[in-house]
Amino acid sequence: ETGVTQTPRHLVMGMTNKKSLKCEQHLGHNAMYWYKQSAKKPLELMFVYNFKEQTENNSVPSRFSPECPNSSHLFLHLHTLQPEDSALYLCASSQATSGGSYGYTFGSGTRLTVV
Amino acid sequence: DAKTTQPPSMDCAEGRAANLPCNHSTISGNEYVYWYRQIHSQGPQYIIHGLKNNETNEMASLIITEDRKSSTLILPHATLRDTAVYYCIVRGQGAQKLVFGQGTRLTINP
Repeated sequence: ETGVTQTPRHLVMGMTNKKSLKCEQHLGHNAMYWYKQSAKKPLELMFVYNFKEQTENNSVPSRFSPECPNSSHLFLHLHTLQPEDSALYLCASSQATSGGSYGYTFGSGTRLTVV
Repeated sequence: DAKTTQPPSMDCAEGRAANLPCNHSTISGNEYVYWYRQIHSQGPQYIIHGLKNNETNEMASLIITEDRKSSTLILPHATLRDTAVYYCIVRGQGAQKLVFGQGTRLTINP
């Protein structure tokens, strides 16, 4: 399997539930990202991981908890979410080394609905 | 990274060339122009990027003005499957983050 795979594609969860989003890349990249896309808004970068280490957290509420066990896998653990957290959550990967261009490859996203 | 300005929406007839403009008047010498597109409810897809020379690949052509303050993405023979939101992004060499704006919603009409 190639590219960036996200599971599940759709998720409906209650505000008291705990769930996790999964992202896996088979491109040999060493950087991974979580983005959030709410209705009619631009993509918002949430977290950046380089070589499994978190290097950026864009003021994301603690009810979103990322985990990167290795360079190929990225998770987003969700707990006590609010209805306004309903959105398309996108994972991406790239090479993290500097110099030249970073081509990002995105997954198809998880459509999250919080009820 | 420099800010970009794109029209919010455009229409194009199927089979014709779609020309999507982007203004980036504050671009600096080491910043690249990237284009991505996002088909409804999918992840963005890389199209092309360039520094100052025009670029062409199997998907599109990128024309950058000599002063680098604007660029145009050209889809030479648009099809219905090219209907998407197109994002023009300026990013410095060595800069890792990809920051998206509102983009241009391109609709290809039969």
